Amino acid sequence: TQLLEQSPQFLSIQEGENLTVYCNSSSVFSSLQWYRQEPGEGPVLLVTVVTGGEVKKLKRLTFQFGDARKDSSLHITAAQPGDTGLYLCAGRVYNQGGKLIFGQGTELSVKP
Amino acid sequence: DTAVSQTPKYLVTQMGNDKSIKCEQNLGHDTMYWYKQDSKKFLKIMFSYNNKELIINETVPNRFSPKSPDKAHLNLHINSLELGDSAVYFCASSQGASANNQPQHFGDGTRLSIL
Repeated sequence: TQLLEQSPQFLSIQEGENLTVYCNSSSVFSSLQWYRQEPGEGPVLLVTVVTGGEVKKLKRLTFQFGDARKDSSLHITAAQPGDTGLYLCAGRVYNQGGKLIFGQGTELSVKP
Repeated sequence: DTAVSQTPKYLVTQMGNDKSIKCEQNLGHDTMYWYKQDSKKFLKIMFSYNNKELIINETVPNRFSPKSPDKAHLNLHINSLELGDSAVYFCASSQGASANNQPQHFGDGTRLSIL
């Protein structure tokens, strides 16, 4: 059974601080996606990383896929209140019809 | 123009009842999914259909039965509802079941509460 351990589960910080969210697994994934979910809505894709060691930037967000494709991180620089939400990592399992294994999620609260 | 729409948004019912949730996508995708999100926000795949064919069937009680009349629709019927079925159920769609970098587009969820 593939598992994706995401940490921390809760994070409350002040505006302007930096933060990092981690996703770790003993399984290898063909790709890894990060989603953001607002209350009362479904998750929305932020980024997909495919190649081991890949780094992608989305404004103040930096995503990294581990060299062995078992782990990933999301780093937010100078967090803003608008970054508040639930962040989910999801690993795509090889040859299983697009099956995604989700991490437990990180609830981020950025206070002004 | 809602891409993935599911109805109803809220469903409150009694234990033992049978209920259905409907999902439709207008993105032209060929793959659709049902997920369950529990009270701790953990999201878990239940089923997936590709061109009306079942391709993912996780360990889900057989009280849950998905049906895909066409590739734009995937409905979920639940028999004999139990307290543990209370959760938010999300429908999603994507183009291609095997493509690595295709996003899954989610609906806004159906909040099921069992009394």
